[in-house]
Amino acid sequence: DAGVTQSPTHLIKTRGQQVTLRCSPKSGHDTVSWYQQALGQGPQFIFQYYEEEERQRGNFPDRFSGHQFPNYSSELNVNALLLGDSALYLCASSLSWVGETQYFGPGTRLLVL
Amino acid sequence: AQSVTQPDIHITVSEGASLELRCNYSYGATPYLFWYVQSPGQGLQLLLKYFSGDTLVQGIKGFEAEFKRSQSSFNLRKPSVHWSDAAEYFCAVASNFGNEKLTFGTGTRLTIIP
Repeated sequence: DAGVTQSPTHLIKTRGQQVTLRCSPKSGHDTVSWYQQALGQGPQFIFQYYEEEERQRGNFPDRFSGHQFPNYSSELNVNALLLGDSALYLCASSLSWVGETQYFGPGTRLLVL
Repeated sequence: AQSVTQPDIHITVSEGASLELRCNYSYGATPYLFWYVQSPGQGLQLLLKYFSGDTLVQGIKGFEAEFKRSQSSFNLRKPSVHWSDAAEYFCAVASNFGNEKLTFGTGTRLTIIP
C-alpha cells in the first residue's frame, strides 16, 4: 500500500515565478492538508481540502492556493514567489472521520533564488 | 488559539540512556495530541497520539507519552535510546475532530552519543 507521495522532490525557482506542487494521498484517504516547514521550524498549516473544497485555511496569503481533484489528489500553487517561500512543503492525507490521523509525505523542497 | 511549546531545542543523550522530551500545549478544550519524528530529509512519521482515555499512550519504536491535563503537558519518553533514534521530534495539537489543522511546536533535535 503506497503511502503519501509528492512531486517533485526538489525545485528551484526565481523570485516572481509561480510553482505547482503535487500530492497523491494514501490509498483510501479523502482529505489532504498542506504544510510549510521553514528551515529549523515546525510545519505551519497552509490549508486543507475535502470533497474538492478548501475546508480550513491557515494564516497564509492568497498567493497560496490549492486544488483537490476527484481522485483526491491535490495541488498547491504559489504565485509571485518570494525568497521567504523557500521551505519544505509537506502534504498530509487522512480520512475525514473523527479522530483520524494525518499521514505525511516526504515533502517537496523549494528553493527560491 | 492553540499553541505548542517545546522548551528544549537540542538534547544530547548517551546510547542506552533514558529520554524525556517536553511538550506543553495551550488549548481551551480537550486536545488531540501527537508526537511525530522527522529524520533528515524525510517527512514526518507518527510516533503516537492521544485522543481520550488512558493518559499513558504507547507508540512505535518503544516510545510512550503521558498526558497531564493539570500541567498542560504531553511529554515523550523512552527508557533506552538507540543511535537510530537521532532525529527531530515534533509535538503537535489538533482541534475539534483531530484530523483538522495541526499546530506544531518548533521541535527538539535529539543527538545520540556512543
